[in-house]
Amino acid sequence: GENVGLHLPTLSVQEGDNSIINCAYSNSASDYFIWYKQESGKGPQFIIDIRSNMDKRQGQRVTVLLNKTVKHLSLQIAATQPGDSAVYFCAENIGGADGLTFGKGTHLIIQP
Amino acid sequence: KAGVTQTPRYLIKTRGQQVTLSCSPISGHRSVSWYQQTPGQGLQFLFEYFSETQRNKGNFPGRFSGRQFSNSRSEMNVSTLELGDSALYLCASSLNAGARAFGSGTRLTVV
Repeated sequence: GENVGLHLPTLSVQEGDNSIINCAYSNSASDYFIWYKQESGKGPQFIIDIRSNMDKRQGQRVTVLLNKTVKHLSLQIAATQPGDSAVYFCAENIGGADGLTFGKGTHLIIQP
Repeated sequence: KAGVTQTPRYLIKTRGQQVTLSCSPISGHRSVSWYQQTPGQGLQFLFEYFSETQRNKGNFPGRFSGRQFSNSRSEMNVSTLELGDSALYLCASSLNAGARAFGSGTRLTVV
C-alpha cells in the first residue's frame, strides 16, 4: 500500500472494543484539525473535523478531542468494526485556506 | 454527487520525461489542492488553486507546477522526472476552505 516502508505506529484492537488514536500536532497557530481514514488503494476519506474554539466534537461512532495546551488531538472510535481497519491521519491547518499538514499516520488493525 | 476524479490512475514514465496529471473536483468546489504521498515522507502539500489562481504553495522544486481552469478542473505537471518523484499524487477539492474531499490518486512510477 501507499504507506509501506513508513513504519507507522500500529494500534491493534479487538472487534467491538473502542479505539483511541492519538496525534501530536506541530504548529500552535493551527486552528483547524481534520481526521482522515485511508484504506489501501484509496485516497484519504474525511472522518471528522474540529476548530480550535472547541475541545470536543462528536460524530457517528467517532469523537475528536483537542487539547491545545499540549498540542494533542485524539480520535475515538466506538465499537470498532472490521471496516474500520485503515491508516488514520490527523491534519492541521491555519485559517482554513492553506495546505494541510499531515501527521505520519496510525495503522489500525482490528482483531476478530 | 460525483466525487473527486483523478486521471490516469496509474502512470509509468522514464527519468527526464514530463508528466501531466488531471483532477476534476466535486461540482461546485472552487478550491483544488494537490498532495504527494510517499512511504518515506508521508502526505505533503504541493499547491492549492482557487478561482484559477495559485493561492498557496508547499515546499517543492519548480519542476512541480499546476494550473486551474475556469471550470475548476486542475492539472499538475512535473518536468524532468526523477526517480524520487515516484509517488501517489492526490487531488483534493473544497468549497473554499475547510475539509477537503480527496480523489483516489494517480500512482506515478518513474523508471
